[in-house]
Amino acid sequence: QKEVEQNSGPLSVPEGAIASLNCTYSDRVSQSFFWYRQYSGKSPELIMSIYSNGDKEDGRFTAQLNKASQYVSLLIRDSQPSDSATYLCAVKSANAGKSTFGDGTTLTVKP
Amino acid sequence: DTEVTQTPKHLVMGMTNKKSLKCEQHMGHRAMYWYKQKAKKPPELMFVYSYEKLSINESVPSRFSPECPNSSLLNLHLHALQPEDSALYLCASSQEAGTLITGELFFGEGSRLTVL
Repeated sequence: QKEVEQNSGPLSVPEGAIASLNCTYSDRVSQSFFWYRQYSGKSPELIMSIYSNGDKEDGRFTAQLNKASQYVSLLIRDSQPSDSATYLCAVKSANAGKSTFGDGTTLTVKP
Repeated sequence: DTEVTQTPKHLVMGMTNKKSLKCEQHMGHRAMYWYKQKAKKPPELMFVYSYEKLSINESVPSRFSPECPNSSLLNLHLHALQPEDSALYLCASSQEAGTLITGELFFGEGSRLTVL
């Protein structure tokens, strides 16, 4: 079992729809959770970080964390073609000097 | 504009060459990282420097040699590379939070390396 697993993808949604990206992790002592967006040919960009159970909203993005289920998700409301990218989930344990990345989910938003 | 700057953006080198990748961050962060990324794969951690000391080496071959001259600068010295080392090399930094590194990574634009 991989430490961090994401939807196999690719994921395609129509413009204006809600895109739902999911991530599960295996290390129960994980404490920090991140979503990065990576456009083709570019470097990853941090878009959301979440540390406690529940929802965290930032504009059209909502991160949801459920530590009991070891599950973190990213919802993108009113998806736009500019949201088309690969989304990387990353998880970090307390006192660990590094994050572990999932393989990423590629999202395509069709006009 | 990114606050983590990497040079060069592109590098082509032969297997006998010696070259260096450079990274500079202006955010006052105390941890800096080198990642390697192949096409359609996630970033793969190579090295972590925390407070200018090497804290993690992910069993990287010795043909890659990191250096952290100060808290703002990070270099990756390359020597006798193989064609399979061709990849996007990403530098990142993260902020300290007490004795813990928060984990939020801020990436540079990367250096695309081709080894002939």
